[in-house]
Amino acid sequence: KAGVTQTPRYLIKTRGQQVTLSCSPISGHRSVSWYQQTPGQGLQFLFEYFSETQRNKGNFPGRFSGRQFSNSRSEMNVSTLELGDSALYLCASRHGQADYGYTFGSGTRLTVV
Amino acid sequence: AQKVTQAQTEISVVEKEDVTLDCVYETRDTTYYLFWYKQPPSGELVFLIRRNSFDEQNEISGRYSWNFQKSTSSFNFTITASQVVDSAVYFCALGTLTFGKGTMLLVSP
Repeated sequence: KAGVTQTPRYLIKTRGQQVTLSCSPISGHRSVSWYQQTPGQGLQFLFEYFSETQRNKGNFPGRFSGRQFSNSRSEMNVSTLELGDSALYLCASRHGQADYGYTFGSGTRLTVV
Repeated sequence: AQKVTQAQTEISVVEKEDVTLDCVYETRDTTYYLFWYKQPPSGELVFLIRRNSFDEQNEISGRYSWNFQKSTSSFNFTITASQVVDSAVYFCALGTLTFGKGTMLLVSP
């Protein structure tokens, strides 16, 4: 079956702009999480959605938001981009709420200039 | 608060050497899961193993083995007879929210 699909793969934006990243989970997976990966901070949890409801939220400013649709696809949005938002954004999905390992997508590489 | 520490930032070995990646965690939970993931240059994290806090049995999968010791809050990962294809960043994680900073493993031919 198809894996976790993230689009776009690469993105370049200007400071102050906003961006929307998309994630299609594995078919049947209802939980989607987003992570930010940077060389300095490593992998940091952004938020998790399950059945269209946000279950957990990491320690990120309100400029970072997300949502999940009825088909489990998820989007994350970053408004008023800052240079420090340049990172690899990873989406991961799992079947249910149990603490099983995620299946990760290949990520979206966002560069803010 | 939960925390995962991977003290080794980068490890370089020559092919066929054995290598152990260390992972130490902190949690107040009595039930938890520990994970190891591999991140090759393509960027996608690949799930390697999940370990329940109640199961301290060591596990071996081919050239990979894991040593979970609750007494020392450690969950170390050993690659036996390393290969160039093992070159990647390896992450240890506590649950789904807390990741270590990763250990970059470089295996030279």
